Amino acid sequence: DQQVKQNSPSLSVQEGRISILNCDYTNSMFDYFLWYKKYPAEGPTFLISISSIKDKNEDGRFTVFLNKSAKHLSLHIVPSQPGDSAVYFCAARRTTDSWGKLQFGAGTQVVVTP
Amino acid sequence: DTGVSQDPRHKITKRGQNVTFRCDPISEHNRLYWYRQTLGQGPEFLTYFQNEAQLEKSRLLSDRFSAERPKGSFSTLEIQRTEQGDSAMYLCASSLRNRDLNFRRVGETQYFGPGTRLLVL
Repeated sequence: DQQVKQNSPSLSVQEGRISILNCDYTNSMFDYFLWYKKYPAEGPTFLISISSIKDKNEDGRFTVFLNKSAKHLSLHIVPSQPGDSAVYFCAARRTTDSWGKLQFGAGTQVVVTP
Repeated sequence: DTGVSQDPRHKITKRGQNVTFRCDPISEHNRLYWYRQTLGQGPEFLTYFQNEAQLEKSRLLSDRFSAERPKGSFSTLEIQRTEQGDSAMYLCASSLRNRDLNFRRVGETQYFGPGTRLLVL
């Protein structure tokens, strides 16, 4: 039962342009969302998060938007840099869970070209 | 380096052998999680500890899988009688249980280690 979906397995973007990654979820009980970035042979690295009480959170070049009615969130990276080439995972949890299990999407491979 | 560490980083074993992986979380973190990741998929939750107590283990893939965190610090994940389908990346993460001033839970960030890549021949 895949409750978090990233429907684009890959994205290619030119250096300096905006990267937009999308994520959809089905469980309306999710109230905390995170984006992780993963390089090959490394563990996921936390990027940015958003609580369901907000619709936007910004940290430097990274902005996450949350549309609760559509059960959709997106990650904007601007400007994109070559070092942003990685796999990006969207994750969600229910804060009311006593143990905070994260449910992950399958990931989107981003390639930033010169 | 004060991040999450895992050992070994790579493990090749023959089918039927037992393997054990170790995870050292960030020192002040009281929650520890194990995940498994297979090719083309996101991490899949396996089990969770708060301090030394294993509070959720129903997602462990079979009774061949077991995990411990004996003193509430490092944790081990053991797979007995390995099968080729166990080949995957095993990830450990840690977080700090957190509540706001009104004692409500607030979002916690899980920080991941580099993973142990297991290949069962």
